[in-house]
Amino acid sequence: DAKTTQPPSMDCAEGRAANLPCNHSTISGNEYVYWYRQIHSQGPQYIIHGLKNNETNEMASLIITEDRKSSTLILPHATLRDTAVYYCIVKDPGTYKYIFGTGTRLKVLA
Amino acid sequence: EADIYQTPRYLVIGTGKKITLECSQTMGHDKMYWYQQDPGMELHLIHYSYGVNSTEKGDLSSESTVSRIRTEHFPLTLESARPSHTSQYLCASRPTGTDTQYFGPGTRLTVL
Repeated sequence: DAKTTQPPSMDCAEGRAANLPCNHSTISGNEYVYWYRQIHSQGPQYIIHGLKNNETNEMASLIITEDRKSSTLILPHATLRDTAVYYCIVKDPGTYKYIFGTGTRLKVLA
Repeated sequence: EADIYQTPRYLVIGTGKKITLECSQTMGHDKMYWYQQDPGMELHLIHYSYGVNSTEKGDLSSESTVSRIRTEHFPLTLESARPSHTSQYLCASRPTGTDTQYFGPGTRLTVL
């Protein structure tokens, strides 16, 4: 199974950049890395995805290492509303299954 | 914004009852999913649908069943609810050609 490894929790000061790492050393060459977040117990919300180039949208930036074995989600100016569980996800190769893992619980501190 | 809906949002029922959790999406997505998530734990795929009349079980063994008679509708049924079914159930959909999933708000089920 394609798997990701994330730290269980992180704190970040409000207004500072939050950098959330993810290891996905078994990712295959054509699989994307996806990031979602889940606030309280709501349904997960899509943030961003990438293959090998760095990506940026209105929510975050995604930095993927050249060997594609790890990536970092960057929230440039974290707010209290960014407190959530962040999931780094890759799809199980050749299947329809997305392996969510336990994610990183980010707490943004005032 | 994704248009995917789940009802009810919260449900408390007694053991042995039959229940159906509703999931509907208005985006015309072919692929739909049901996940089960216990508090603070990861999401586990319990059912998947490729399209109308096409469903498969996921990794996590589940006593629930699903149907996909219409593209927009993917209900999940428990014939006889038990306390072990207490959990949050999340529905998601995605269009063909992309892996981005859109999630509903979830149904929090408590079986007494």
